[in-house]
Amino acid sequence: EADIYQTPRYLVIGTGKKITLECSQTMGHDKMYWYQQDPGMELHLIHYSYGVNSTEKGDLSSESTVSRIRTEHFPLTLESARPSHTSQYLCASSEGVTGTANTEAFFGQGTRLTVV
Amino acid sequence: KQEVTQIPAALSVPEGENLVLNCSFTDSAIYNLQWFRQDPGKGLTSLLLIQSSQREQTSGRLNASLDKSSGRSTLYIAASQPGDSATYLCAVSRRGSTLGRLYFGRGTQLTVWP
Repeated sequence: EADIYQTPRYLVIGTGKKITLECSQTMGHDKMYWYQQDPGMELHLIHYSYGVNSTEKGDLSSESTVSRIRTEHFPLTLESARPSHTSQYLCASSEGVTGTANTEAFFGQGTRLTVV
Repeated sequence: KQEVTQIPAALSVPEGENLVLNCSFTDSAIYNLQWFRQDPGKGLTSLLLIQSSQREQTSGRLNASLDKSSGRSTLYIAASQPGDSATYLCAVSRRGSTLGRLYFGRGTQLTVWP
């Protein structure tokens, strides 16, 4: 059973608001990821972290930012939401064992964001 | 860059049929391949993980095979049930990329009707 949680599940917010999407995992995983998914499309990596105080941007350019102050927590922030940010955001984690193939990924339930 | 393609994009079958979902990827230098299930508006549930050194994995009515050299994986679902209705996603992690980073296909949307 995966223990990775995202809140809120659904969010409708007005343009210009600042929002933070929460992601927490209790598995002690070093690696955490944020993916963005539009309907019928592939998931695209927007941020990842190897561990505390480590964050990198992914393949898909995003105006969001992330932080990793604690191993279990990887929040994503949009300083000023716009309608183009409307999407589903999925958080994932995997075991941080460098050099091995044991990288099964576990996903949260996602946050569906609508900016009006 | 790793590109993942899933065929068919959608599949609608009566209950009880055995199904085959296909996944292909362009770069065979992978660590592993993972099959996920996604219900509408929900997150991803991991179904099967195949390491690059393995040929197949089984879990209940699900069997996934991997042919790394040809860049293909197949997910077999035996005796399908209406509860199997969901989108099935294939994802690979690529050697030389961010450790643990996954490249996804667009999925196969499966509908099993009673």
